[in-house]
Amino acid sequence: DVKVTQSSRYLVKRTGEKVFLECVQDMDHENMFWYRQDPGLGLRLIYFSYDVKMKEKGDIPEGYSVSREKKERFSLILESASTNQTSMYLCASSSYRGTNTEAFFGQGTRLTVV
Amino acid sequence: AQSVTQLDSQVPVFEEAPVELRCNYSSSVSVYLFWYVQYPNQGLQLLLKYLSGSTLVKGINGFEAEFNKSQTSFHLRKPSVHISDTAEYFCAVSYFGNEKLTFGTGTRLTIIP
Repeated sequence: DVKVTQSSRYLVKRTGEKVFLECVQDMDHENMFWYRQDPGLGLRLIYFSYDVKMKEKGDIPEGYSVSREKKERFSLILESASTNQTSMYLCASSSYRGTNTEAFFGQGTRLTVV
Repeated sequence: AQSVTQLDSQVPVFEEAPVELRCNYSSSVSVYLFWYVQYPNQGLQLLLKYLSGSTLVKGINGFEAEFNKSQTSFHLRKPSVHISDTAEYFCAVSYFGNEKLTFGTGTRLTIIP
């Protein structure tokens, strides 16, 4: 089974802190994604990566950056956390080998910025 | 640009009654369509997907969806719901050559005993 693991289920950080959210997948998938989930807004794409060291901005990249140094790991970085970044963050991975396949999701990290 | 609309933010249904969760999409090219379910305090799990072929797609837990190209819809149905179906359901779209999944805002399904 595909497994996508996010390093923390719950995080509490202070305003202005630099925050790292880590995601690891074990199925050799090329694509990895970071989404933010807020009530009434669904899932919004922050960044995605289709290869090591490759990244593209999603719909809401402001205030975030990403790093993909190894194929299995995709990190989301909040350079200076703010209260409006309090949210659920979901990591996902997928493969583009063959036909389009579904994305597999981690359990999510609920981040609270105080 | 692709987009997904889920008009119903909440749907209450009596146990053992049928349910339909609506999803409409907009895209200028051929699409791939997905339904995901999120149980409380968990990540998203794939229910079913439409890539090509038969427009009626069957998924896990007794759910099915029908792709209707003329109406640009992909509604999710179940003939008889159970308490365990209480969850949030998300419709999503992508297309060939673009790995980005675009999600709707979700529909919270509540089962009334």
